[in-house]
Amino acid sequence: GAGVSQSPSNKVTEKGKDVELRCDPISGHTALYWYRQSLGQGLEFLIYFQGNSAPDKSGLPSDRFSAERTGGSVSTLTIQRTQQEDSAVYLCASSPGTSGGPRYFGPGTRLTVL
Amino acid sequence: ELKVEQNPLFLSMQEGKNYTIYCNYSTTSDRLYWYRQDPGKSLESLFVLLSNGAVKQEGRLMASLDTKARLSTLHITAAVHDLSATYFCAVDSSPGGTSYGKLTFGQGTILTVHP
Repeated sequence: GAGVSQSPSNKVTEKGKDVELRCDPISGHTALYWYRQSLGQGLEFLIYFQGNSAPDKSGLPSDRFSAERTGGSVSTLTIQRTQQEDSAVYLCASSPGTSGGPRYFGPGTRLTVL
Repeated sequence: ELKVEQNPLFLSMQEGKNYTIYCNYSTTSDRLYWYRQDPGKSLESLFVLLSNGAVKQEGRLMASLDTKARLSTLHITAAVHDLSATYFCAVDSSPGGTSYGKLTFGQGTILTVHP
């Protein structure tokens, strides 16, 4: 079956511009996660959505970062006024929402801020 | 704050040899995950360990969990080149209850298997 998909696969932007990254989770998965992977910081949790509950935003590094999930499916991560330190691979994952299951990761979006 | 530490961070092995990667974590949790990442690729789930004493095996890889020692191991038996990748352990930061959220990842172990 189809896995988690993300778009775009690569994004190059100029410092100060806004970017939107998209994630399509596996159909039927109620939990959706955003992570960031960079050389200096490893894999960092950003935000977690579970069903209709309020998202866990505890990992968002600044108020320039926001995410929404529409209709309990597709999610968009928005970074405003991008900075060079935002350059990283942004990974989305989903899970069925039942306790303890694995997270299924998408291929990621490589963001480069010039 | 939950900390997850792996060692070694770099592992160069000969084919046919055995080795173990260790994953230590700092707070109580009974849910631990192992992932594999190939260069330029995303994360592939290998094992989910959900209780103390859990042991899972798949091919040449075996993972175990000791929640009392806050330790998980990933044992490699008779390594082959195809196992070359980066291996991450991750611990669920919301022990207990029904709401599982963020995973805290270890630094990753870069495994290279030589002929």
